[in-house]
Amino acid sequence: DIVMTQSPDSLAVSLGERATINCKSSQSVLYSSNNKNSLAWYQQKPGQPPKLLIYWTSIREYGVPDRFSGSGSGTDFTLTISSLQAEDVAVYYCQQYYTTPFTFGPGTKVGIK
Amino acid sequence: QVHLVESGGGVVRPGGSLRLSCAASGFTFSDYGIYWVRQAPGKGLEWVAYIRFSGSVKYYADSVQGRFTISRDNSKNTVYLQMSNLKPEDTAVYYCAKPLPGDYPQPFDYWGQGTLVTVSS
Repeated sequence: DIVMTQSPDSLAVSLGERATINCKSSQSVLYSSNNKNSLAWYQQKPGQPPKLLIYWTSIREYGVPDRFSGSGSGTDFTLTISSLQAEDVAVYYCQQYYTTPFTFGPGTKVGIK
Repeated sequence: QVHLVESGGGVVRPGGSLRLSCAASGFTFSDYGIYWVRQAPGKGLEWVAYIRFSGSVKYYADSVQGRFTISRDNSKNTVYLQMSNLKPEDTAVYYCAKPLPGDYPQPFDYWGQGTLVTVSS
């Protein structure tokens, strides 16, 4: 199975400041058919199911604010929230969907400083 | 509008069985594979099972292989997860999820609200 790791486990950022979450896969998740990395990011708030934010490393899902961006290549990926808002307080998960099982990272909890 | 509604959760003793259902609406159900993902209390997300749109292909996490069976009834727009020989570590909220459209493997753009399964004596 592909193991996904995330860092940090948690972070606290001032409102309006940048938050950066890292994700690493234990092997390449590059899908050869489209030459894109099969890497997604989800946001989960308490009592709610996860919400898809980013897929194929950097494509924002419809309706996701542009303060959320994804980047990365190889086995290292990053989710950036450019200007943290109060409603962004949540746990963020990365996921590889390159091969089953579609494993998730352990999550990063983002709060307000 | 896409909706996924899970049901069938509850409290069951270790070794017991339970069948979860995921009722879908708002999209052409028979065109999509469906996934089950679970989340133990206070923990992260764990991919559990997948069934192809036709029902012909099924995949399971190692942790549930041989104990869980995924199936679907396209005439009822419903996916099932039959769980047997349940263990305390199966305690979790179980979500069903739909992938984005596309020919390639895709992440999950719609999730149900989840159903809680508690395995306890």
